[in-house]
Amino acid sequence: KAGVTQTPRYLIKTRGQQVTLSCSPISGHRSVSWYQQTPGQGLQFLFEYFSETQRNKGNFPGRFSGRQFSNSRSEMNVSTLELGDSALYLCASSPLGDYGYTFGSGTRLTVV
Amino acid sequence: DQQVKQNSPSLSVQEGRISILNCDYTNSMFDYFLWYKKYPAEGPTFLISISSIKDKNEDGRFTVFLNKSAKHLSLHIVPSQPGDSAVYFCAASETGTYKYIFGTGTRLKVLA
Repeated sequence: KAGVTQTPRYLIKTRGQQVTLSCSPISGHRSVSWYQQTPGQGLQFLFEYFSETQRNKGNFPGRFSGRQFSNSRSEMNVSTLELGDSALYLCASSPLGDYGYTFGSGTRLTVV
Repeated sequence: DQQVKQNSPSLSVQEGRISILNCDYTNSMFDYFLWYKKYPAEGPTFLISISSIKDKNEDGRFTVFLNKSAKHLSLHIVPSQPGDSAVYFCAASETGTYKYIFGTGTRLKVLA
């Protein structure tokens, strides 16, 4: 079956712009999580959605937001981009969110 | 505050020998632990997990050990193969939070 699909794979944006990243989970998976990976920081949890509801969020500023649609697809949005937002953004899905996520290949965001 | 720590940024091992990757955590509420492997330009791939009710879990060449009193887990790979060369992340979660805390990763290089 198809894995977790993230689009686009690469993105270059200018400071101050906003960006929307998309994630299509594995069919049947209702939990979607987002992580930010930067060099030396590992993966930092952004938020988790289940059945269109955000169940948890990490310690990121309000510029980072997300949502989940009724078909479990998810988007995350970053407004007023800063240079420090340059990172690999990873989406992961799981049937219910409790155990073991399958990750997508990520979206590499570069802010210039 | 880094709740999950991988203190060795890199590790080199000869092919056929044992690779031991270590991970420490500080939050005693964590009750589920996972190891992921990541190749460049790909998302992390799930390797093996362990619940806090166990102290060992084995899957083929991969074994994870959990020492709850020391808040320490380790991943053993025996025998190591060149294809195992990747970055390994440990992650921890508290049931019901739907949030995984990742370490910063250990880059394993298996020398042929």
